[in-house]
Amino acid sequence: EAGVAQSPRYKIIEKRQSVAFWCNPISGHATLYWYQQILGQGPKLLIQFQNNGVVDDSQLPKDRFSAERLKGVDSTLKIQPAKLEDSAVYLCASSLDRMGIQYFGAGTRLSVL
Amino acid sequence: GQQLNQSPQSMFIQEGEDVSMNCTSSSIFNTWLWYKQDPGEGPVLLIALYKAGELTSNGRLTAQFGITRKDSFLNISASIPSDVGIYFCAGQLGGGSNYKLTFGKGTLLTVNP
Repeated sequence: EAGVAQSPRYKIIEKRQSVAFWCNPISGHATLYWYQQILGQGPKLLIQFQNNGVVDDSQLPKDRFSAERLKGVDSTLKIQPAKLEDSAVYLCASSLDRMGIQYFGAGTRLSVL
Repeated sequence: GQQLNQSPQSMFIQEGEDVSMNCTSSSIFNTWLWYKQDPGEGPVLLIALYKAGELTSNGRLTAQFGITRKDSFLNISASIPSDVGIYFCAGQLGGGSNYKLTFGKGTLLTVNP
């Protein structure tokens, strides 16, 4: 069974630039999550989708972050414009349903200079 | 919001030694999870605990769900070099739409061969 796929693996940008991350969840998983993991910290949930609807985006900085999952499968997370403090690993996870075990991708490491 | 206190922050042990780490919370959880994260990878689930008082083993790993539902511990017996990594506890409250995970800050384990 293929795992959660994320791309790119690494991204370096300058502040005020835009960046987008892509996630393909495990086949058949209805729930998809985006987490931000700052160095030395545990992952922090940014947004949770159930199929193509948003379940929880209470911790998403909506002035600069956006995410979509238009067809209920792949998802993209965008930052526009990026700030220095956005430097982190962005992890995507998926689960069969909202109560299911979450499986994580390898993440995208973002460096904002 | 909910916060998890994970300790110790880091451990440096000799191969063959046993290891213990724990997590405490100011509020209750209905599920406790333990993940391991290798460098450059996403967290991988080690053990899931669903009932207060539950003691579960997975090979050399043993974890317990505290009776108060506010704590959990993870033990690793007879450590080996591949146990190196960051171990995260995560709590899940559950119910309604609140199935999101709250992560601790992690315990960095180094095993000296």
